[in-house]
Amino acid sequence: NAGVTQTPKFRILKIGQSMTLQCTQDMNHNYMYWYRQDPGMGLKLIYYSVGAGITDKGEVPNGYNVSRSTTEDFPLRLELAAPSQTSVYFCASSPAKGGTDTQYFGPGTRLTVL
Amino acid sequence: GENVEQHPSTLSVQEGDSAVIKCTYSDSASNYFPWYKQELGKRPQLIIDIRSNVGEKKDQRIAVTLNKTAKHFSLHITETQPEDSAVYFCAASLNYGGSQGNLIFGKGTKLSVKP
Repeated sequence: NAGVTQTPKFRILKIGQSMTLQCTQDMNHNYMYWYRQDPGMGLKLIYYSVGAGITDKGEVPNGYNVSRSTTEDFPLRLELAAPSQTSVYFCASSPAKGGTDTQYFGPGTRLTVL
Repeated sequence: GENVEQHPSTLSVQEGDSAVIKCTYSDSASNYFPWYKQELGKRPQLIIDIRSNVGEKKDQRIAVTLNKTAKHFSLHITETQPEDSAVYFCAASLNYGGSQGNLIFGKGTKLSVKP
């Protein structure tokens, strides 16, 4: 199994541009998450999904959107990129609620907005 | 809102010494407490976790203790090795409202083990 995969690994955006961060898992997990990691600030939850067709906001959802059309894929959309969105983005999945079981993380996407 | 405080933010030890990282949480209903290790440029990976019905759990050189009354939990690494150098994150489950079932993370501890 590949586990959780993310593309791209690195990206530089100009202010106001848009992009989609891709996340795919092959473990048949229902629960998926998007986090952002800023230096010295730990991991902040952006959006999460408890299954195909169901998504909900996390702690820092502003400026982002998600969709979950299949169990495997959970893309994160950035509209009108801003410098404050410069961060490392991690996707994760879990066989059960993340608050009760292991979360498996992808390799991350390093995004810079200039 | 609910939060998790983690201390220290940086920790430097000599190889072979022990390292202890402490976290406190605010949600009294939290019942799952994982610890993740993140090496430089890599993804976070679970190293040990503990549930609220257990006071201590050990896996080789790593142990975690939980004090529910005081709402704090700690990671203990014995006989540290250079490969233990990484950032360690604690987390606690949220168990209220719409956030039920999610994790809130501490800000991390950068552990450096000097040969």
